[in-house]
Amino acid sequence: DVKVTQSSRYLVKRTGEKVFLECVQDMDHENMFWYRQDPGLGLRLIYFSYDVKMKEKGDIPEGYSVSREKKERFSLILESASTNQTSMYLCASSSPTGDRNEQYFGPGTRLTVT
Amino acid sequence: LAKTTQPISMDSYEGQEVNITCSHNNIATNDYITWYQQFPSQGPRFIIQGYKTKVTNEVASLFIPADRKSSTLSLPRVSLSDTAVYYCLVVLNAGKSTFGDGTTLTVKP
Repeated sequence: DVKVTQSSRYLVKRTGEKVFLECVQDMDHENMFWYRQDPGLGLRLIYFSYDVKMKEKGDIPEGYSVSREKKERFSLILESASTNQTSMYLCASSSPTGDRNEQYFGPGTRLTVT
Repeated sequence: LAKTTQPISMDSYEGQEVNITCSHNNIATNDYITWYQQFPSQGPRFIIQGYKTKVTNEVASLFIPADRKSSTLSLPRVSLSDTAVYYCLVVLNAGKSTFGDGTTLTVKP
């Protein structure tokens, strides 16, 4: 069964801290995504990676960076967390060679910045 | 990325058929149309995809007119457990796409 895992379900950090959110997929997918979801705003794409060491900005990259050193792992970094980054963060992966344009999602990390 | 527009919310009753329409006026020739379902505190789950005409699976049907500028997700005989947010996406090669705000479907007894 396909699986996308995220390092934490819940995380509480202080303003100014550096925060790492980790995502691992076991499907050998080329594409990986980081989204944030806030009430009434749907899912917004933060960053997208289509290969190791490759990344593209999404709709809301400000305040975030990403790292993809290995194919199965995609990390989201908040260099200096702020309260407006309190949100649900969702990671997903997909393959451009599959027969469906399907993104597989992890369970999400609910981050609270105080 | 092609932008999609859906109704913000819809209400239905158990046993009814629900149709959710999405407009995607700027869809490109090679783009596919996909739909996702999301329950609270979970990530979205793929439901169905199509390119043109009609696609049906065990969960839903997807109707796409010839001009492909819109699509309609049809859920037959909904139950309370179909209460969720439904997202329409336009996507190429499983790459970047925009989820938008989705449609919150509430099924009432």
